[in-house]
Amino acid sequence: DVQLVESGGGLVKPGTSLRLSCTASGFTFDSYTMNWVRQAPGKGLEWVSAISTTGGYIYYADSVTGRFTISRDNAANLLYLHLNNLKDEDTAVYFCARGQAAVRGPLHFWGQGTRVTVSS
Amino acid sequence: DIQMTQSPSTLSASVGDSVTITCRASQSFNDWVAWYQQKPGRAPTLLIYKTSILESGVPSRFSGSGSGTDFSLTINSLQPEDCATYYCQQYKDYSLAFGQGTKVEIK
Repeated sequence: DVQLVESGGGLVKPGTSLRLSCTASGFTFDSYTMNWVRQAPGKGLEWVSAISTTGGYIYYADSVTGRFTISRDNAANLLYLHLNNLKDEDTAVYFCARGQAAVRGPLHFWGQGTRVTVSS
Repeated sequence: DIQMTQSPSTLSASVGDSVTITCRASQSFNDWVAWYQQKPGRAPTLLIYKTSILESGVPSRFSGSGSGTDFSLTINSLQPEDCATYYCQQYKDYSLAFGQGTKVEIK
């Protein structure tokens, strides 16, 4: 079965950094585009970032460009999101989600999410 | 960037009713729309992709349609377990924008 397990969330102060991880299993990790999607408390879904199978194509939402960095380790079946210069509005549950082989596509599988709270 | 405007924000219907949720895109395109269901405290799950293709395991009472700027999700014969929030998403461009969500309640 496909499994995606996020970790690394927590309570942090504005301006600080955090690294989220997503451990994938049950599928051939390096065959799929991977994404991060977030959901602020009581709000809707916001796509954050995507990385292609080899990492050659990377995309970000305007709201995080220049502050967040997505990466992947295909040998270890790991997806990362580095969050820098965190702001209050980055408070959210962060989901990793598996796309498809193509760079753009629907999100077929989701993890359960890791909560990030940015507060002074 | 393509934006998706979803309506209504809340919908209340009876068990057995047919309900429709719509999304209007800010630019015209075909095919590249997905629909997700999210129950409280849970991750979203994919229901439909490429406008009308049912994800494996999703009940056939769910269906999708549309083209151009107007896309819709229909739930035929609403069931109690369909209480959830539903989101559309476009994947025509890399804003990968979601709609604002529609909360479906049972009367």
